[in-house]
Amino acid sequence: RKEVEQDPGPFNVPEGATVAFNCTYSNSASQSFFWYRQDCRKEPKLLMSVYSSGNEDGRFTAQLNRASQYISLLIRDSKLSDSATYLCVVRPSGGYQKVTFGTGTKLQVIP
Amino acid sequence: DGGITQSPKYLFRKEGQNVTLSCEQNLNHDAMYWYRQDPGQGLRLIYYSQIVNDFQKGDIAEGYSVSREKKESFPLTVTSAQKNPTAFYLCASTMTGGNTEAFFGQGTRLTVV
Repeated sequence: RKEVEQDPGPFNVPEGATVAFNCTYSNSASQSFFWYRQDCRKEPKLLMSVYSSGNEDGRFTAQLNRASQYISLLIRDSKLSDSATYLCVVRPSGGYQKVTFGTGTKLQVIP
Repeated sequence: DGGITQSPKYLFRKEGQNVTLSCEQNLNHDAMYWYRQDPGQGLRLIYYSQIVNDFQKGDIAEGYSVSREKKESFPLTVTSAQKNPTAFYLCASTMTGGNTEAFFGQGTRLTVV
């Protein structure tokens, strides 16, 4: 099983729709979680952190489910500008353990 | 301002040549990473380093080499043994431990001509 897995998509959704992505992780000791956004031919940029209690930023909501070992990203009222690839990032607890990036889920919002 | 810098932004290489991509950070991060990204694909880990003078192979290390002589620098050499080096290369850094996010450089687009 991969350390971090994401559905590569693409998810094609109409403007105004709600869309959700999941990211599963295999290391139960993972401590910190993040969602990044990557535009075509650009570097990934931090979208939001994922806290145990969940995190909401405008139209974006991130959730953590430790029991089932996945994080989710919900985008409400999708905009054309949301079209991008969304990567999840998982950090283990303590010490010198590498951060793991998912390969990303591609979202295409269509008019 | 603190950040992570990759250079050059675009690089052209002739077949059979080695080429070195630069990655420098002034964030005082211990860990640094190199990723390769092909068109329409996700990130694939080449090498990572958690501390100075130590580094580990990632999933696709063949044909690549790295060094970590200084905390701030983690150069990647694409050797002639890498059969298909044309790709977008991303460098990232993180603090060790804690809950802070990873920072990325702007990437180097390597093309073999």
